[in-house]
Amino acid sequence: GENVEQHPSTLSVQEGDSAVIKCTYSDSASNYFPWYKQELGKRPQLIIDIRSNVGEKKDQRIAVTLNKTAKHFSLHITETQPEDSAVYFCAASLSPDSSYKLIFGSGTRLLVRP
Amino acid sequence: KAGVTQTPRYLIKTRGQQVTLSCSPISGHRSVSWYQQTPGQGLQFLFEYFSETQRNKGNFPGRFSGRQFSNSRSEMNVSTLELGDSALYLCASSTGQNEQFFGPGTRLTVL
Repeated sequence: GENVEQHPSTLSVQEGDSAVIKCTYSDSASNYFPWYKQELGKRPQLIIDIRSNVGEKKDQRIAVTLNKTAKHFSLHITETQPEDSAVYFCAASLSPDSSYKLIFGSGTRLLVRP
Repeated sequence: KAGVTQTPRYLIKTRGQQVTLSCSPISGHRSVSWYQQTPGQGLQFLFEYFSETQRNKGNFPGRFSGRQFSNSRSEMNVSTLELGDSALYLCASSTGQNEQFFGPGTRLTVL
């Protein structure tokens, strides 16, 4: 069945360092890959997304890369700040144009140490 | 625009009861999806509705059902509640072509 694996489950970095979270998906038909940030007690919020016709996308300190052949995608956060501390979820879906069925990874708890 | 709203925010039920949760999407959004979030299973897709039609369904038993009204508001129903149904239930709305926006969730506790 559809599955998204996410690693690592926890990640601790020093403020200013980079953080990388990796995901692997199983359904080769997936072509939409969002990343969500969830702070404690709050709703998930989209931080960046990428579609399969693009290999990389960047938004300030955040970037996502996609390797469709290997069915891998990764989140890169540079110059981390304490406010980046949260749980990050990757997800995979068919195109939202046809149906929204996000399959989520298990989450990565990121701690940025001041 | 107002964000996605969910009611109630907290709910306590006992085993065997049924519950109905409500979600009001962002104005103009026609897609509403529902997710269950638990510490053990993470975020799991329940179903998605678009213009009153269920477009997709996750792997949950038939006790979980939903519907969408003509104004795009959506409800989900869980019958014969089990202890394992205790979770945060999140709905998310979208135009159907772009990102989903999540609501604050309904925290359901089954005793």
